[in-house]
Amino acid sequence: EAQLLESGGGLVQPGGSLRLSCAASGFTFSDYAMTWVRQAPGKGLEWVSTISGSGTYYADSVKGRFTISRDNSKNTLDLQMNSLRAEDTGIYYCAKGLYRLDYWGQGALVTVSS
Amino acid sequence: DIVMTQTPLSLSVTPGQPASISCKSSQSLLHSDGKTYFYWFLQKPGQPPQLLIYEVFNRFSGVPDRFSGSGSGTDFTLKISRVEAEDVGVYYCMQSTQFPRTFGQGTRVEIK
Repeated sequence: EAQLLESGGGLVQPGGSLRLSCAASGFTFSDYAMTWVRQAPGKGLEWVSTISGSGTYYADSVKGRFTISRDNSKNTLDLQMNSLRAEDTGIYYCAKGLYRLDYWGQGALVTVSS
Repeated sequence: DIVMTQTPLSLSVTPGQPASISCKSSQSLLHSDGKTYFYWFLQKPGQPPQLLIYEVFNRFSGVPDRFSGSGSGTDFTLKISRVEAEDVGVYYCMQSTQFPRTFGQGTRVEIK
């Protein structure tokens, strides 16, 4: 069964940067698109970004500030987050898939605050 | 962007009774490839979301058969035939027919 484990969350000041990673196992990582979804405290789910063989895709709210990437040799998915804002605070989940998000990690907490 | 609207936003159900959640999209979710990329997730307290139903009516691996999905175009429904205590949490619908992917607001289900 697929397993995903996020890391790299933490407290960062507004305007700062943070890099999240997601370690994948239990499936052939290179065969699948991967997605980041976030959840602000007490709020619903918001799609952030997807990387597939066709390219990379971003929510308007993060476009130009966040960069999704992957290393198929290490089975890892990354999210580089720059120019962070208070509204970027939340739990960031990595999920397997392009259309069907069938496996999710436990999430990494990102707090943007001075 | 496609807007996903769920109703109701909260539901209190007696164990053993049925429950139903509706999700309406602002545009048809029928993709040009003939598939409808519509999903239901359940987020139990303190846990990440888990996939329940994919492409409208298919139950994901391990999902009990008391969960069923139906619908087409812009109108979709999740039904739980007999609610159990373990079904509490927030249910979300999601579309993957186009970018950006969008989720419904969530429906909180509690047990009476």
